[in-house]
Amino acid sequence: AQTVTQSQPEMSVQEAETVTLSCTYDTSESDYYLFWYKQPPSRQMILVIRQEAYKQQNATENRFSVNFQKAAKSFSLKISDSQLGDAAMYFCAYRGGTGTASKLTFGTGTRLQVTL
Amino acid sequence: NAGVTQTPKFRILKIGQSMTLQCAQDMNHNYMYWYRQDPGMGLKLIYYSVGAGITDKGEVPNGYNVSRSTTEDFPLRLELAAPSQTSVYFCASSKLVGANVLTFGAGSRLTVL
Repeated sequence: AQTVTQSQPEMSVQEAETVTLSCTYDTSESDYYLFWYKQPPSRQMILVIRQEAYKQQNATENRFSVNFQKAAKSFSLKISDSQLGDAAMYFCAYRGGTGTASKLTFGTGTRLQVTL
Repeated sequence: NAGVTQTPKFRILKIGQSMTLQCAQDMNHNYMYWYRQDPGMGLKLIYYSVGAGITDKGEVPNGYNVSRSTTEDFPLRLELAAPSQTSVYFCASSKLVGANVLTFGAGSRLTVL
């Protein structure tokens, strides 16, 4: 079974600074997808960024980028120019390829605080 | 676009009561999922469905039942509620597998006393 590990329960960053959230996963599949979701106090799950395992290029979405190391099974999220609105729980998630019903497996989350 | 709609948003149950959490999506998505999120934890899969009439267990199915009679609806039934089922429940859906992003509902907070 696939597992997703987030080893940082909490992180703090100053406004305008950069922070990196860590995620590792375990799988025997070669075809899979990785996601970072943000959950603000409203509880709504919001997609931040996604990465296809077959792509070597790291995904980027505005201030958010990932460092995908397939061999190390590592998928970290970098938030640049942090803003107060970035404060939230961040979940790393794994989704298998076709034929697996593509269930999304989540890590336990990292709570990000943004300070002035 | 309504997306994924969950009802109710909040509910308090007494031990032993039963209830159904409703989930409906209007995006013609084939795949639907129910997750629960315990305080300070990630989401754990309860049940999922790959299409109308097809359901399967996830990681934590005990104490729950589901049905999928239509593409749009995927209700979650709690029988004989227990305090351990106090959680926030999320319904999600996606059109296809793999890179397709899951669309989540706003969640339903359930407390069992």
